[in-house]
Amino acid sequence: QLQLQESGPGLVKSSETLSLTCTVSGGSISSSRYYWGWIRQPPGKGLEWIGTIYYSGTTYYNPSLRSRVTISVDTSRNQFSLKLGSVTAADTAVYYCARHGSIVGAQHYDYWGQGTLVTVSS
Amino acid sequence: EIVTTQSPATLSVSPGERVTLSCRASQSVSSDLAWYQQKPGQAPRLLIYGASTRATGIPARFSGSGSGTEFTLTISSLQSEDFAVYYCQQYNNWPPWTFGQGTKVEIK
Repeated sequence: QLQLQESGPGLVKSSETLSLTCTVSGGSISSSRYYWGWIRQPPGKGLEWIGTIYYSGTTYYNPSLRSRVTISVDTSRNQFSLKLGSVTAADTAVYYCARHGSIVGAQHYDYWGQGTLVTVSS
Repeated sequence: EIVTTQSPATLSVSPGERVTLSCRASQSVSSDLAWYQQKPGQAPRLLIYGASTRATGIPARFSGSGSGTEFTLTISSLQSEDFAVYYCQQYNNWPPWTFGQGTKVEIK
């Protein structure tokens, strides 16, 4: 059974960089059939796609966050990571990592991590 | 960017009732639409993909329909465990992969 687990600081100071890692177990992050994504959810609000990475390192970012986001992959550790710079209170959210298909027509999210709350403090 | 709009925002329903949730895309997404269920404190769970295919382990009372720009998620007889927020997501025109704003199904 595939499992994804987010890890990283739960508290980040305003203007600093948020860093999270997603560890994948029960399957290989190097599969050509899947993308790996980050999604966030501010308290009481909906889901926002942040960005996606392929095992080769190809990335896609939400245009609204592109200037501040970097997603990277470490296939040797079966992990992928998120960095979000210059954070403000608006970046306070539960951050999820998730898997979605890379094949056209099959790009729904089928496995999710449990999510981790990151609070931006002033 | 394709915008997906869900309606209504909140639905008050009694257990055993039939529930219909709507999702509209700003342009055609063919059948590249998924539905997710999210309960408080939990990650979203995939219910439906390809507009109408139930994910593994999803009860038959959940069904999806539609194509193009209009989609529906139907729960044939609402159970107590179905009170949650439901999101649609399109994956036809990307990036970005976009979610609707959600419909909350609450107890009447």
